[in-house]
Order: sequence, then structure tokens, then C-alpha cells
Amino acid sequence: SQQGEEDPQALSIQEGENATMNCSYKTSINNLQWYRQNSGRGLVHLILIRSNEREKHSGRLRVTLDTSKKSSSLLITASRAADTASYFCFSISSGSARQLTFGSGTQLTVLP
Amino acid sequence: GAVVSQHPSRVICKSGTSVKIECRSLDFQATTMFWYRQFPKQSLMLMATSNEGSKATYEQGVEKDKFLINHASLTLSTLTVTSAHPEDSSFYICSASPGANRNTEAFFGQGTRLTVV
Repeated sequence: SQQGEEDPQALSIQEGENATMNCSYKTSINNLQWYRQNSGRGLVHLILIRSNEREKHSGRLRVTLDTSKKSSSLLITASRAADTASYFCFSISSGSARQLTFGSGTQLTVLP
Repeated sequence: GAVVSQHPSRVICKSGTSVKIECRSLDFQATTMFWYRQFPKQSLMLMATSNEGSKATYEQGVEKDKFLINHASLTLSTLTVTSAHPEDSSFYICSASPGANRNTEAFFGQGTRLTVV
């Protein structure tokens, strides 16, 4: 599978600020998901957005999807120190081959 | 949500030995499970797709004789790292989704940190 791209690679912000991460993918998709990973740990599912959706909200999270540009963004509002983690987008292609691809990840550091 | 359990969470083994990692779907059946590998400070890369009752499908560059996958039941897939070497040290994680609907989220195991000394 080919790895998707995410930017920025690293993001450092103050508590209370918003954090935006962007993800680009290469193939047509059924859905795109965002996960967080604390250092050296497993993945926590954050949100899933389907290919026919453009925006989705869950608590302090807002995800957008632009299938024409093959890109997605994750916005975390009013960040907290506990949001410090790596964030990955994950896409599943819509073709019969079902390509599974993680983005390269964004390391978010929220300073107290 | 659905639960995927992975065991062990950490393992240290000597070079040349084999290590088995288990991935179980606890409350759903999974005809397909996926195995990923993550090197430090990198993203997760798909290694192989585990298919219940048939051979696994490996991604390019992944040696099928080194990473043996067995998916003998609808709730269990195992990954065996054979003749492990220090360069196999990595974080291995599995995932599964309930049913064949591609619009469901993927559930991930807790991961296994393998250290080969």
C-alpha cells in the first residue's frame, strides 16, 4: 500500500488554541478515518467520514473531506495538554483491491 | 464499539527464535484481518491481509516465509515472526472490521512491541 501524506509532520501549540492537520490520499475511497496514537501505544478511533459527506463533527473534533482534491482535515478546537499524541488519517479505497493506507502522521504537542 | 484484542503487548526474544502474536475479535466475526508494522516515529504500513480459511495476501516487500500468518477461525489470526532478527524489532498491530461493509470503522488491537536482542 502507498502511504498517504499528512502535514504538518509536527505541530506545537498552546493549550486552548486550535490544531489543524491535513491529509491527502491517492485513490478513490469509501471512507476516511482519523486515529490518534499515544507514544508507543495502540490506535484510538476518533471519527469516520464517508465519501458522500463533506464535514463531520464529534465533540471538539471537526473533520472535512474534499474528494475532488483527495484531501481531509482534522481540526481540534480548544486543545488540551491531553491531546498531545500522533494523529493519523486512514483511508480504505473503493476499488475491489481494497487498499488500506495510513497517512504519514502529525505529531501534535499541546503545551500547558 | 467492537473489540479487537492483541496478545502479547510486549515481547523480547533472542535472535533466531520465533515469536507468535495473536489477534482476536472478541465480539464479532472477522473473515479478514490486517497486520501492520510501525517503526519508531513512522506511520503504520500494511504488511498483509489475513483471510479466514485461505492464504494471506502479502504486501510488496514483505517476506511471507518470514511472517507466517494463520487465520484458522473467524475470530483469530496469528502472526509468527520466524527466525527473528534485531531489524524485525518494531510495533506490530492488527485490525479487523465487522462484516463486509467497507463503510464500517476498522478496529485495532492494542499492538505488540517486539524487541529482538
